[in-house]
Amino acid sequence: AQSVTQLDSHVSVSEGTPVLLRCNYSSSYSPSLFWYVQHPNKGLQLLLKYTSAATLVKGINGFEAEFKKSETSFHLTKPSAHMSDAAEYFCVVEGGYQKVTFGIGTKLQVIP
Amino acid sequence: DAGVIQSPRHEVTEMGQEVTLRCKPISGHNSLFWYRQTMMRGLELLIYFNNNVPIDDSGMPEDRFSAKMPNASFSTLKIQPSEPRDSAVYFCASSLAGGETQYFGPGTRLLVL
Repeated sequence: AQSVTQLDSHVSVSEGTPVLLRCNYSSSYSPSLFWYVQHPNKGLQLLLKYTSAATLVKGINGFEAEFKKSETSFHLTKPSAHMSDAAEYFCVVEGGYQKVTFGIGTKLQVIP
Repeated sequence: DAGVIQSPRHEVTEMGQEVTLRCKPISGHNSLFWYRQTMMRGLELLIYFNNNVPIDDSGMPEDRFSAKMPNASFSTLKIQPSEPRDSAVYFCASSLAGGETQYFGPGTRLLVL
């Protein structure tokens, strides 16, 4: 069985403060993990991915995520939020045989 | 590369009509995915193909939905007959192979009246 849990459906931060979007997963295989971002009325864009190399993964726009096997987590962080970061973020696990599971998404609001 | 191309971008139709959504994956990509996104259910994987062969269609909601991939550069998702509850944004994505990054098209926004 495979699943992804995004612990917060909505996160609100002030501009310039840190961002933390939480994701936990379960998989019977050594998974590949991804974060995608979707801006309003747009398609999904890859932010970063983990594929069993370095556990700290750096992505675009200053985002990064750390793979913690012991905690089965892959939380997304950014030191300082920007207004343009307001979007919906999806955590994704690919656990073998191309079985892809998306989380329900976390809407990030950035307050000026 | 132009990226994943989907057409039409918007479709408005009446209940009972046939709807065909089209997707052109990125050249050289071997895997193709169809997703549906709604407010109520979020993003759902409907079906994916590997080397033009359907691998997993367990996400297809019912027999009214069918998908084909006649060659490496084209896929269709058909709904016949369409119903108002099919209204959603349908995304196509492609990737080089399993476990690789998926590249998403802009989506088709479908409204069934």
